Amino acid sequence: GEDVEQSLFLSVREGDSSVINCTYTDSSSTYLYWYKQEPGAGLQLLTYIFSNMDMKQDQRLTVLLNKKDKHLSLRIADTQTGDSAIYFCAGNRGNNAGNMLTFGGGTRLMVKP
Amino acid sequence: DGGITQSPKYLFRKEGQNVTLSCEQNLNHDAMYWYRQDPGQGLRLIYYSQIVNDFQKGDIAEGYSVSREKKESFPLTVTSAQKNPTAFYLCASSIGTGGYGYTFGSGTRLTVV
Repeated sequence: GEDVEQSLFLSVREGDSSVINCTYTDSSSTYLYWYKQEPGAGLQLLTYIFSNMDMKQDQRLTVLLNKKDKHLSLRIADTQTGDSAIYFCAGNRGNNAGNMLTFGGGTRLMVKP
Repeated sequence: DGGITQSPKYLFRKEGQNVTLSCEQNLNHDAMYWYRQDPGQGLRLIYYSQIVNDFQKGDIAEGYSVSREKKESFPLTVTSAQKNPTAFYLCASSIGTGGYGYTFGSGTRLTVV
């Protein structure tokens, strides 16, 4: 099955850019997602990218996809303290698995003032 | 507004008791999912249902049970057979196909006392 891996922790200063990385194994994933989880809350969909795209930009968020290396990244420009949260990447399972998603373990982003 | 509602937000269980966590959605989504999240950990799939009156075990189904009698509702019962039930439980729903991802509830924190 699909494996999705993320680094556990990232610390940045307010105003800097953050880059959160993710690798996945299922080359048949057609959609890849980034979710944000604030303390004690559910996951909120931030953005997603279709597998035939290399890049998607949405305000301060930029998603880069390298299909050859099965590498996904989320860049947050001008990181704010409100961006402190856990970020999960996820990919849909290919081969008739419908919309089943596999999640990475999450990256905790800490933004220092 | 459409959404997915989990209740209660906090739940305390005595050892040996069964407890039921509620999950209701008014998004007309076909598929629903239950995940468990332990502190500092990612999401682990407990059960999922892609259509009414049908559900499948996820990766950690032992000690849990579900039902899907209505499209809108997917309750999770944590039975006394679950030896370590203290965790944060997340319910999600999705259209079932395509790249729309999951919509998550706000979670239920279950503590054994």
